[in-house]
Amino acid sequence: DQQVKQNSPSLSVQEGRISILNCDYTNSMFDYFLWYKKYPAEGPTFLISISSIKDKNEDGRFTVFLNKSAKHLSLHIVPSQPGDSAVYFCAASFGNTGKLIFGQGTTLQVKP
Amino acid sequence: GAVVSQHPSWVICKSGTSVKIECRSLDFQATTMFWYRQFPKQSLMLMATSNEGSKATYEQGVEKDKFLINHASLTLSTLTVTSAHPEDSSFYICSAKESGAYNEQFFGPGTRLTVL
Repeated sequence: DQQVKQNSPSLSVQEGRISILNCDYTNSMFDYFLWYKKYPAEGPTFLISISSIKDKNEDGRFTVFLNKSAKHLSLHIVPSQPGDSAVYFCAASFGNTGKLIFGQGTTLQVKP
Repeated sequence: GAVVSQHPSWVICKSGTSVKIECRSLDFQATTMFWYRQFPKQSLMLMATSNEGSKATYEQGVEKDKFLINHASLTLSTLTVTSAHPEDSSFYICSAKESGAYNEQFFGPGTRLTVL
């Protein structure tokens, strides 16, 4: 039972363009969503988060959009840079448990 | 930002032996730490929640007698894989949640366990 899904295993984008990574969830009890960036053989690095009471959160080149009715969130990176190439995981949680349910990850490749 | 360390970064052991992995929050206190496991090309799966001073809570399907967790202080949690078998070979990652913070967690660099 995959409660958090990232249906695109990979994405390739040209440097300078926008990268859009998508994530869907099934549990309407989730009230907090996070995006992490991960390199092979390393732990995830926190990027940005959003509470379910908001529909947008922006931090520099990263913006997360939340569509609760569609149970969908997306991470926009603009402009994309080659250093952004990594695996991106979305994660969801509810309450203040701290438990994170991760999606399968999307490998982003930004080409120079 | 907050730093979480793990030790060792990699370990190779023989089948049947036990392996201890340490997770430390270096510059903050963490009343709660989490242990995840990641198999190749798969997602991170939560194994257990480690609370300082109390017993860990395990996710469904995770054997508590095989994966012993101790959270003896606000900056240290340990995971011991007992009687390791080749199928336990995986990438183990811990995370720490700062006391009073909501759900943001900081992850350690992970430990690659290979059981021969």
